[in-house]
Formats: sequence, C-alpha cells, structure tokens
Amino acid sequence: KAGVTQTPRYLIKTRGQQVTLSCSPISGHRSVSWYQQTPGQGLQFLFEYFSETQRNKGNFPGRFSGRQFSNSRSEMNVSTLELGDSALYLCASSLADTEAFFGQGTRLTVV
Amino acid sequence: AQSVTQLDSQVPVFEEAPVELRCNYSSSVSVYLFWYVQYPNQGLQLLLKYLSGSTLVESINGFEAEFNKSQTSFHLRKPSVHISDTAEYFCAVTTMEGGSEKLVFGKGTKLTVNP
Repeated sequence: KAGVTQTPRYLIKTRGQQVTLSCSPISGHRSVSWYQQTPGQGLQFLFEYFSETQRNKGNFPGRFSGRQFSNSRSEMNVSTLELGDSALYLCASSLADTEAFFGQGTRLTVV
Repeated sequence: AQSVTQLDSQVPVFEEAPVELRCNYSSSVSVYLFWYVQYPNQGLQLLLKYLSGSTLVESINGFEAEFNKSQTSFHLRKPSVHISDTAEYFCAVTTMEGGSEKLVFGKGTKLTVNP
C-alpha cells in the first residue's frame, strides 16, 4: 500500500509569490491534515480536511488555505509569501482519527 | 487547549546506554498519546501509541513508553540505544476540537547517540 505522497519535495519561491503544495493520502483515508514545521516553532497544525470539508483550523493567517478533492487528495496554498513561511510542510492522512501517517514533506524556501 | 511539554530539547548519550525522553501533557479526559520519530529530511513515523488498556506500550525496535495518568506523563525509554536511534522524537496528544481530533505536538527532543 502506498504511503502519503507529497509533491514537490523541495520548492524555492520569492517573497510575494504564491505556492501550492499537494498531498495524496493513503488509499481509503478520508482525513488529511497539514502541519508547518520550523526550528523555532516546532510542529504547528494548519488545518484538517475530511470528505472535502475543512473540519479544523489552526492559528494561521488567511494567506494559508487548503482544499480537498473528492478523491481525498488535498492541496494547500500560501499567498503573498513571506520569508517566515520558509518551513517543512507536512501532510498526514488518517483513517480512524487515532493514528496519523505522515508524508515526507515539502521543504519550502522563500527568498 | 491541550499542550505537550518535552522537557529536554537535546539528549546526548553513548551507544548501549539507557535513555529516557520526557513528555508531559496538559490534563484532559480520554487522551490518546503518541511518540513519533523523525530522521533527517524525512517525515514523521509513528513509533508507538497509547489508546487504552495497558499503560505500558512497546515498539518493535525496543522503545517503550508508559502512560501515567496521575502525573500526566508519557515518557519514552529504551534500555540500550544504537547509533541508528539518532533522530528527533516528538510526543503528541490528540485533542477534540471542532468535533474532530487533531494532534498537538511537543517541541521535539533531538537524541544523539555517540559511539
């Protein structure tokens, strides 16, 4: 069974640009969550989607948004990028809300 | 809101020595607790979890953690570490918000095993 797949693995963007990251969950998993990982703040929850609906949201500005498609694949978008958005973005999928399986992450660098 | 405290940001040990990585969480009812491990440039891998039942849980690679409700702790232990255990370890707890569960993570503990 394939794991959680995140694309791209690495990304370099310029301040002010926008970026879209993709996550394909494990087959059959309908819940997808996104996390931002930085050295200073650690792992912070961004949002969670379940059956195409945002079920939970963390404390991030509106520049961070996401969506989920009918096949459970999810995308997150960050608009008007800032230097502080440089981070590892992790996606996790789960089946029963008691165990999350993580992808390898997308390393975003904003210059 | 739930919170998780990992008391040590870095733990250096020698190979074959025992290790304990400490984790405390804020009190709540019906928590689920997890330890994840992250190797360099990788995502998080589940190491072990406590959902219910026996308070002592074990992983396949020799780690164990004990759920202590009275002390709100879930410390991770291994009696003899290997070089390959060098990684960052994250303790996490689920919290019910908005009708669904989300994971709240500690800041992580970097375990470095030296020869």
